[in-house]
Parts: sequence; structure tokens; C-alpha cells
Amino acid sequence: DTAVSQTPKYLVTQMGNDKSIKCEQNLGHDTMYWYKQDSKKFLKIMFSYNNKELIINETVPNRFSPKSPDKAHLNLHINSLELGDSAVYFCASSQNQLLAPLHFGNGTRLTVT
Amino acid sequence: ELKVEQNPLFLSMQEGKNYTIYCNYSTTSDRLYWYRQDPGKSLESLFVLLSNGAVKQEGRLMASLDTKARLSTLHITAAVHDLSATYFCAAANTGTASKLTFGTGTRLQVTL
Repeated sequence: DTAVSQTPKYLVTQMGNDKSIKCEQNLGHDTMYWYKQDSKKFLKIMFSYNNKELIINETVPNRFSPKSPDKAHLNLHINSLELGDSAVYFCASSQNQLLAPLHFGNGTRLTVT
Repeated sequence: ELKVEQNPLFLSMQEGKNYTIYCNYSTTSDRLYWYRQDPGKSLESLFVLLSNGAVKQEGRLMASLDTKARLSTLHITAAVHDLSATYFCAAANTGTASKLTFGTGTRLQVTL
């Protein structure tokens, strides 16, 4: 029944490692997103894909690379992890780019030590 | 660049009383969203406001939008403990609606 699911829920890793977060939605939505929530709860968009096409790429270090193999999946790969990457990463989807609200996954808490 | 500010950042509410959260945004936006986040949980969509003067109500929460003032309010009537959470407003740049800019969040705590 889960609408937007992301794995893993928790990720603890050391600086310099490479890690991936996976996201899948079963809502039939066209648009998927990655948001980052920092320790102060501030939410900022990182990437947005519409039908597998990248449409938003915010000022994010190129160590972060999203990949959308199909419109139901949007994965996030992070190279050479840094302490400042520690945050909660939320995947979200919406029916289209215009009016629909976002449906969020449960988040992945990334801790870099 | 669209900026969204909420106030207050923290609100300690007494059960049974009424309160209002304010959400201001800096440039033209024709849609405004409210979300709720419980501690350690995901964000849940509460309201979508699409036009000037729009008002939506669900239970003890009522949201309104004034696009001329670039202001949305979330009014809480007779607060109850279950409403304790962090509430976010988010606005979308006109023409690039896929990019939601979130406010700073307002943490509500309802006490007896």
C-alpha cells in the first residue's frame, strides 16, 4: 500500500564513501523529486524529474547524481560523502508539475561520520 | 528568487485556545500548500490553495490565501494535543510550479 517508498530508512557511513538511496512510487505520478531536510528542519529541493527527464537541478554538488530508470523510480547516488551531507533526504512525487501536492516518502536519515 | 517565511517558528498552545500561523512569500505565486510533519516522520499534505481568497477547512484547521498581500494563514481553532507537529507552508514559482519552496516551518506544541 505504500505510495512513496524509499530505502534505506537509516544510513550511517564514513566520510569519503559512496552511497545510494532508492525511491519508488506506485501512484502513477509523472514527477518525482529529491528534497534535503537539514538539522534545522529546513527543506530544500535538490532535483526533479518528469517522466524520466531531469527538469530541476538545484545548486547541488556534482557528487550527487540522480537517476530515473523509469517514471516510478528515482534514485540518488552520492559520491565521496562529507560531514555536511548528513541530513534527512526525502523523495516525493506528484501527479504533474502544476497543481498537485507532493506525496513524500518516509525519508532516509543519512549520518556521515 | 522566491523566499517563504513563516512565523512564529515555535508556538506553545494551550488546549482549547485559537492560534494563527502566518506564511509570507516574496514573489508572485499562484499556489500555496500546507504540510504537517510529525517528529521523525514524513510530510503530509493538508491544504492546496490555488486562488486569491481561497479558504479551506479540515477539522480544527483552516487555511486561507491572499495573493495580493502574498500571505497565507493557518488558523487553529480550539487546539488539541493531536495537533502538535511542525507545519510547513510552501509556495511555487509561477510557471515553474514543480519547484516548491518551503517555509522555515512552525513547530506547534499543545499543552494541557
